Amino acid sequence: QVTLKESGPGILQPSQTLSLTCTFSGFSLSTYGMGVGWIRQPSGKGLEWLANIWWDDDKYYNPSLKNRLTISKDTSNNQAFLKITNVDTADTATYYCARIPSFDYWGQGVMVTVSS
Amino acid sequence: DVVMTQTPVSLSVAIGQPASISCKSSQSLVGTSGKTYLNWLLQRPGQSPKRLIYLVSKLDSGIPDRFSGSGSETDFTLKISRVEADDLGVYYCLQGTHFPDTFGAGTKLELK
Repeated sequence: QVTLKESGPGILQPSQTLSLTCTFSGFSLSTYGMGVGWIRQPSGKGLEWLANIWWDDDKYYNPSLKNRLTISKDTSNNQAFLKITNVDTADTATYYCARIPSFDYWGQGVMVTVSS
Repeated sequence: DVVMTQTPVSLSVAIGQPASISCKSSQSLVGTSGKTYLNWLLQRPGQSPKRLIYLVSKLDSGIPDRFSGSGSETDFTLKISRVEADDLGVYYCLQGTHFPDTFGAGTKLELK
């Protein structure tokens, strides 16, 4: 059974760095072809893909946010991470992680609010 | 980036009636492998997205056969043969053929 669960700070201030963790089970990021993606969704709006990390440590970022994003993984502990630097109110959203390549399993999401 | 255009934006359907959602991509979604990486997702109110269909027309496990996907190249359609109350929510198409992965803006299915 594949499950994913996101965790994060809940609230942070503008200019801070957002650190998110995706803890998963039922698959391994050491398995060929497996990966984890991060997606976000502002309240009442659509989905925006942010970044992917693959079993071989290949990383891909949304070009519109690339300079602010860092994705990483801890294969031994079945975790993937996303950092977003210099956040502002536009980064307020629910953040999801999902198994890739085809987004077949998603976490429940974690709400993040950027507010002064 | 590949732009995914979904229509309609919202859809009001009575229980037991059919529904159809269109998704058009700004370029062909046929990949170098010959496969077309087009998914359909459903996000029920207050829930995370759930994949229903992958590779244009393949139903995920547990998805009722009231759902079907079709299309090719740049034009794709999700059909529900008979809408049930559990089908309400926002439907998204998602392409994974071209970098970066892109989503449609969503189609909200409501009860009439």
